[in-house]
Amino acid sequence: EADIYQTPRYLVIGTGKKITLECSQTMGHDKMYWYQQDPGMELHLIHYSYGVNSTEKGDLSSESTVSRIRTEHFPLTLESARPSHTSQYLCASSRTGYYGYTFGSGTRLTVV
Amino acid sequence: GNSVTQMEGPVTLSEEAFLTINCTYTATGYPSLFWYVQYPGEGLQLLLKATKADDKGSNKGFEATYRKETTSFHLEKGSVQVSDSAVYFCALAQGGSEKLVFGKGTKLTVNP
Repeated sequence: EADIYQTPRYLVIGTGKKITLECSQTMGHDKMYWYQQDPGMELHLIHYSYGVNSTEKGDLSSESTVSRIRTEHFPLTLESARPSHTSQYLCASSRTGYYGYTFGSGTRLTVV
Repeated sequence: GNSVTQMEGPVTLSEEAFLTINCTYTATGYPSLFWYVQYPGEGLQLLLKATKADDKGSNKGFEATYRKETTSFHLEKGSVQVSDSAVYFCALAQGGSEKLVFGKGTKLTVNP
């Protein structure tokens, strides 16, 4: 049973639109992550946060931005969506001192 | 830096066949090792983990043993089922940093 929630599950949107992908967790985890998963299944870390008001860019450069104003909430925003942003986006969280992530079910984004 | 290499897929097996998915890692010190599973249309779920050398992680009939001498953490299952069809990710977390490093994933298809 997932304690980390991503909405929407699927999103089809036109080029140039602004979108926000939501991620919330109810476990009190201090660390949160966003991954982009390509069609070949490989996971790419694009953003992470180790606490409120702390955000860092990941290993893969992304035009998206994130914010962490509340512990439980870690939204990802694209100011102007493009077809190259079409992908699956996975959110995850973890707790300091404990190795292992809990993942959300993902948002599959299609930009047309 | 830290890295994980797992066997390329896709892997196709018949029901009740024996499964091995190879995973080797590069890291300094003693990382914690994980296997995650991603069922179609879902996020990743922790399948099993091992935190020190010679530990064996097990869950749902799957097993993996942390082999320091060969830097390996191969996933095995004695008799696969159609419901095991999924993508499997090997991952490590280095002590001091709880950020996971993932392999590229191995897609398993089990036919009846």
